[in-house]
Amino acid sequence: EADIYQTPRYLVIGTGKKITLECSQTMGHDKMYWYQQDPGMELHLIHYSYGVNSTEKGDLSSESTVSRIRTEHFPLTLESARPSHTSQYLCASSDLAGGDYEQYFGPGTRLTVT
Amino acid sequence: QKEVEQNSGPLSVPEGAIASLNCTYSDRGSQSFFWYRQYSGKSPELIMFIYSNGDKEDGRFTAQLNKASQYVSLLIRDSQPSDSATYLCAVRVYGQNFVFGPGTRLSVLP
Repeated sequence: EADIYQTPRYLVIGTGKKITLECSQTMGHDKMYWYQQDPGMELHLIHYSYGVNSTEKGDLSSESTVSRIRTEHFPLTLESARPSHTSQYLCASSDLAGGDYEQYFGPGTRLTVT
Repeated sequence: QKEVEQNSGPLSVPEGAIASLNCTYSDRGSQSFFWYRQYSGKSPELIMFIYSNGDKEDGRFTAQLNKASQYVSLLIRDSQPSDSATYLCAVRVYGQNFVFGPGTRLSVLP
């Protein structure tokens, strides 16, 4: 099982501010993901990475950007926050175990943009 | 048609009963199937995975996979109020990302 950490857990910030949501995992997983989820709604994949220096956009268009300079670290950045960015952001990583990749989630960051 | 479909619920069962959650998928190349439990306001928690046709049991949970019919189900025996949550089905095609269903809300009534 993976240990995945996200900070901050809660963030309230004003429109136009630049924010970075941190995600770290200690298990050496190659694959990492960012999902966005509104309350009671579906998970949407917004970014993923298959390893260092590898990043791709997910299925849902997002104004955020990501970087993967170290295996354990996969931060997500919003250059200029807007109220439409208010949501829960979930980081996940996956590990090859038992024949296939199993994905584990961090605790999430709940972002509110005022 | 969505790639992974689930009945949104809510599915209500009395305490002690068997809860049956179903998931269908469209990609016949899907190879791996996962069930996650998500409590309100929390992140999804992996509870079971299954790769082969048939049943897989883990405690009170049984996952059932039928690739010919393209469905996977989760049975929860002796349901408890603490099982009340949203259950997400996830499917993976080899070499591709996970695809999550919309989830089924389960309510276990005391």
